Amino acid sequence: EPEVTQTPSHQVTQMGQEVILRCVPISNHLYFYWYRQILGQKVEFLVSFYNNEISEKSEIFDDQFSVERPDGSNFTLKIRSTKLEDSAMYFCASSEAEEHYGYTFGSGTRLTVV
Amino acid sequence: KQEVTQIPAALSVPEGENLVLNCSFTDSAIYNLQWFRQDPGKGLTSLLLIQSSQREQTSGRLNASLDKSSGRSTLYIAASQPGDSATYLCAVYSGGGADGLTFGKGTHLIIQP
Repeated sequence: EPEVTQTPSHQVTQMGQEVILRCVPISNHLYFYWYRQILGQKVEFLVSFYNNEISEKSEIFDDQFSVERPDGSNFTLKIRSTKLEDSAMYFCASSEAEEHYGYTFGSGTRLTVV
Repeated sequence: KQEVTQIPAALSVPEGENLVLNCSFTDSAIYNLQWFRQDPGKGLTSLLLIQSSQREQTSGRLNASLDKSSGRSTLYIAASQPGDSATYLCAVYSGGGADGLTFGKGTHLIIQP
């Protein structure tokens, strides 16, 4: 069964450093997403991406965050200058379409900012 | 703003029991509702997707129902097994806006052998 692949599974970084989280969505999917889950809290929407541009973003997704689809397969989330409160599990997801298809999530990247 | 609540927050039952997990949402204008399973420290595995026009979906021992007008969904697990132990998340897609999927906090389920 097709799956969404995320790398790395765990990343530790120093506060203030830039990190890039990587995802390979399912090949025939058109919509791509990033979500995060702070330990013990709900999964929260960050951003959706369609047709090579951001289609929606939440209040969490401020100027420190950016997304990119640098080639035909990868989808990345960059955090420019990490803060302690960015420590969370980050999930990538993809979908054939928004309204009538479910989401397939990756296994996540656990980001720890020290 | 859509809010999703799951009850109970935690549940521990002996193996073999049938059980029901509840999900409620505040805005009934949804496109679909999806149930996920999350194992500790792991990703989200999709279990069932119910479109707004559907009343229920079944997959093996799992059955999910949707009552859109009352803003409720239930996940029924038949003949529970220790391998069913996980956190079960309910998420709704309301379309448009900047919310994407809205998740509940989950029900942490333990099936005792």
